Amino acid sequence: EAGVVQSPRYKIIEKKQPVAFWCNPISGHNTLYWYRQNLGQGPELLIRYENEEAVDDSQLPKDRFSAERLKGVDSTLKIQPAELGDSAVYLCASSLLAGGGNEQFFGPGTRLTVL
Amino acid sequence: EDQVTQSPEALRLQEGESSSLNCSYTVSGLRGLFWYRQDPGKGPEFLFTLYSAGEEKEKERLKATLTKKESFLHITAPKPEDSATYLCAVQAEGGKLIFGQGTELSVKP
Repeated sequence: EAGVVQSPRYKIIEKKQPVAFWCNPISGHNTLYWYRQNLGQGPELLIRYENEEAVDDSQLPKDRFSAERLKGVDSTLKIQPAELGDSAVYLCASSLLAGGGNEQFFGPGTRLTVL
Repeated sequence: EDQVTQSPEALRLQEGESSSLNCSYTVSGLRGLFWYRQDPGKGPEFLFTLYSAGEEKEKERLKATLTKKESFLHITAPKPEDSATYLCAVQAEGGKLIFGQGTELSVKP
């Protein structure tokens, strides 16, 4: 079974430039998550989708971050414009269902460096 | 406020030297406690889910236990390939995972 796929794996951009990350979840997983992981820290949730609906985006900085999940499968996370503090690893995860006890499976992440 | 604290931040062991990692948590409405392993440059890899105090789960040299306030990840006779960062997370209502900062484990031959 294929795992969560993310691209690109690495991205280096100048500040104020836009950037986008793509995620393909495990087949059949209805719930998709985007996390940000700073160096030496655990992942922090940015947004959670159930099918195509964003049901928790309270931690997403909406002035510069946006996300979409068309047709309830693939998802894209965008930053525009990027700031130096956005340098981090952006992780996508998926689970069969939301709610209690459902294991989340993570992709390899996209390491973003903003210069 | 929901919170997860892991200790120690880093742990160095000799091969075969057993030890434990700690995860202390406060959460309203615990839906599950998760342990993940993360290797450098990779995403977290799922290890265990624990649901209620007293529960234990084992996988090879790893055993996870849960109380009402903390969880332990016991590593018995570790090998160098067990070297990684181990992340603990609690799941609150709605499915959100709240992670600790991780314990970086290094096992020397």
